[in-house]
Amino acid sequence: SAVISQKPSRDICQRGTSLTIQCQVDSQVTMMFWYRQQPGQSLTLIATANQGSEATYESGFVIDKFPISRPNLTFSTLTVSNMSPEDSSIYLCSAQQGTGNTIYFGEGSWLTVV
Amino acid sequence: EDQVTQSPEALRLQEGESSSLNCSYTVSGLRGLFWYRQDPGKGPEFLFTLYSAGEEKEKERLKATLTKKESFLHITAPKPEDSATYLCAVSGINKFYFGSGTKLNVKP
Repeated sequence: SAVISQKPSRDICQRGTSLTIQCQVDSQVTMMFWYRQQPGQSLTLIATANQGSEATYESGFVIDKFPISRPNLTFSTLTVSNMSPEDSSIYLCSAQQGTGNTIYFGEGSWLTVV
Repeated sequence: EDQVTQSPEALRLQEGESSSLNCSYTVSGLRGLFWYRQDPGKGPEFLFTLYSAGEEKEKERLKATLTKKESFLHITAPKPEDSATYLCAVSGINKFYFGSGTKLNVKP
């Protein structure tokens, strides 16, 4: 199974600032995704990070707010731009590996916007 | 509409009291059903993948089963360390669908 490392694991951010979350996978994977999980809620897909091209965003999420990079098959970043308290959430990086279609998750980045 | 529904939302058990969590789905083109365990403030930890009706997987006190429209996660003689939220996800043709989870609390 893929081992996924995220950083930061936790941060407190000022309103109006931006923060970039890094995600590193220990092996090459075809698909990488970014999810958001607000307190007490289930997971919501933000976007699919495409290697070498623009990410594919889900309805309700836009590139200006959540720019994503994926320069290679093991690394991706998610930036949360111009943060407001509503952006306080756990942001999860995930990767799909193997023929079994299973997706694995990182430990998450818990952002609090004050 | 493709969706995944988990029940109950919350479950309190005494240590040693076995029970089952349910995950029902209406997702076309099922490519797999997945169970995860999530501890507070952490990312989901992968438990099982099931692909076809009748399939079963076991790990320690947990056993997952799959029918055509639902899956069960059976917990046998749970311990307090089994307390967590258990998430079910279904892979359809184009995307994953997550349930809202069952929050399990096992009291000593």
